[in-house]
Amino acid sequence: DVKVTQSSRYLVKRTGEKVFLECVQDMDHENMFWYRQDPGLGLRLIYFSYDVKMKEKGDIPEGYSVSREKKERFSLILESASTNQTSMYLCASSLARYYEQYFGPGTRLTVT
Amino acid sequence: KNEVEQSPQNLTAQEGEFITINCSYSVGISALHWLQQHPGGGIVSLFMLSSGKKKHGRLIATINIQEKHSSLHITASHPRDSAVYICAVRSGTYKYIFGTGTRLKVLA
Repeated sequence: DVKVTQSSRYLVKRTGEKVFLECVQDMDHENMFWYRQDPGLGLRLIYFSYDVKMKEKGDIPEGYSVSREKKERFSLILESASTNQTSMYLCASSLARYYEQYFGPGTRLTVT
Repeated sequence: KNEVEQSPQNLTAQEGEFITINCSYSVGISALHWLQQHPGGGIVSLFMLSSGKKKHGRLIATINIQEKHSSLHITASHPRDSAVYICAVRSGTYKYIFGTGTRLKVLA
């Protein structure tokens, strides 16, 4: 079974802090994704990566950056957290293009 | 108008009832994905389909490409089926567009 893990289930940070969210997958998947989920809006793609050190902006990249130094790990970085970044963050991975995505358990981030 | 619309948004059923959740989309797609999200956040893949019908246990998913519509059916519903069901369409190589979900509550 594919396993996608995220570093924290719940996180509380202060405005202006730098925040790192980590995602690790154990199935040698090429593609990894970061989404945020807000009530009434569904999941929205922040960034994705199709290979090590490669990244593409999604629909809402502003205020975020990502890092993929190793194939199994994809990090989402909030350079200076703001209250409007309070959300559920979900990581996903897929074997390759056109394959289904597998999701991690999510990190509920609160920025105060 | 959202590119992926689900109906209903909320659904309450009695245990044992047959349930249908609908998904309509307005873009060209290469596949459609049904997902289940339990309280606490984790998302589980139920089905990925590009044509016809798939069945897994008490769950059945159908898709009509010409009508741009898919349905998820749950037979003999049970309280453990209570969750949010999300429809997602793959409209490009990597891009998924997600519906806002249908919140299902099954009462014992």
